[in-house]
Amino acid sequence: AQRVTQPEKLLSVFKGAPVELKCNYSYSGSPELFWYVQYSRQRLQLLLRHISRESIKGFTADLNKGETSFHLKKPFAQEEDSAMYYCAPTRQGNTPLVFGKGTRLSVIA
Amino acid sequence: DGGITQSPKYLFRKEGQNVTLSCEQNLNHDAMYWYRQDPGQGLRLIYYSQIVNDFQKGDIAEGYSVSREKKESFPLTVTSAQKNPTAFYLCASRGLLGGSSPQHFGDGTRLSIL
Repeated sequence: AQRVTQPEKLLSVFKGAPVELKCNYSYSGSPELFWYVQYSRQRLQLLLRHISRESIKGFTADLNKGETSFHLKKPFAQEEDSAMYYCAPTRQGNTPLVFGKGTRLSVIA
Repeated sequence: DGGITQSPKYLFRKEGQNVTLSCEQNLNHDAMYWYRQDPGQGLRLIYYSQIVNDFQKGDIAEGYSVSREKKESFPLTVTSAQKNPTAFYLCASRGLLGGSSPQHFGDGTRLSIL
């Protein structure tokens, strides 16, 4: 069965500290992976996708096929990073994304 | 900031009543999806449609129904059979087949029981 695990429900870090939000998946074949973010009172929006290998708002995520992980990282957390983060793998095409339960990141000043 | 429009923003349901949540997109996307978001549960898939006049059940389809008569519209009906309908409902759409196109989301509808 397709499954995605975000082990931390809540992650609190101090401003300026590094942050890593964990995501592990179990998928056959080669899934596509996304990170979505939901800021307070805003709609769920795409943060980054593994295929583009880009850095958005200072966040990066490396796909580790051996460990089946797609952890989200940022070297220096900012207060505006406080939000709910969801990891979402899917197969190619229009099959639905499967979302993890999410991790709430709280950046403390 | 158009793209996907969900209405209403807030909806109240009485016992035994069916209610319909609207989702419209102007992105010319083939696929549309309905998710339910509960605290601590993440997003769970209710129904999805990859093409007009076709749709599939997701993980928690019981008590819900959908239709896809037009490409741009994918309404969700919460029936009286859904015993715990209080939740935040999110509609999403996705572009062309193939590739790694992301899903785009609406602002959501919050459904509560009177």
